[in-house]
Amino acid sequence: SQQGEEDPQALSIQEGENATMNCSYKTSINNLQWYRQNSGRGLVHLILIRSNEREKHSGRLRVTLDTSKKSSSLLITASRAADTASYFCATDDQGAQKLVFGQGTRLTINP
Amino acid sequence: DAGITQSPRHKVTETGTPVTLRCHQTENHRYMYWYRQDPGHGLRLIHYSYGVKDTDKGEVSDGYSVSRSKTEDFLLTLESATSSQTSVYFCAISEPGYGYTFGSGTRLTVV
Repeated sequence: SQQGEEDPQALSIQEGENATMNCSYKTSINNLQWYRQNSGRGLVHLILIRSNEREKHSGRLRVTLDTSKKSSSLLITASRAADTASYFCATDDQGAQKLVFGQGTRLTINP
Repeated sequence: DAGITQSPRHKVTETGTPVTLRCHQTENHRYMYWYRQDPGHGLRLIHYSYGVKDTDKGEVSDGYSVSRSKTEDFLLTLESATSSQTSVYFCAISEPGYGYTFGSGTRLTVV
């Protein structure tokens, strides 16, 4: 069963604009993670945010977590063509040492 | 990806034959996972391991078995391949509280 659901399923923006993707989940968690997948490649870990954190930054990435709403958002600022990829959120289902992934947001950055 | 390799990268097999996929890590991580990725379903957990000879089922384990006789190797076996097992298979490794490192994937086609 799917724990996380990303929204939107697809997003197309111009280079230089900001991209925001959202994730909702259903059960309590210890942490939430975001991954990127380029076409035909494996997933790459971007950022992990723990349940007691509300916001985390890594370079051009900003992740927020609202445990009361069971939701998270990933913001990519000043997008580049190289950011074109699918982005997945994943949660450790009720603290279990295994991640459950959403279906992802496909992000396209147009030059 | 550094520290984790999957073999083979591509395989075509016939319905009814057994197939074994291999995941090898050099990071000495305790946890290893097998996921499959299909359009419309995202990544779904097949089996995972939390130590040598310690494994557990994921959400789509029917028709699959695993073995982990050494820390570095996690084998996924399709006992009798079916067309519904045509997919891209990803192995991942992790330590508690950290993100996953994924392999490059194995594209399996069952004809």
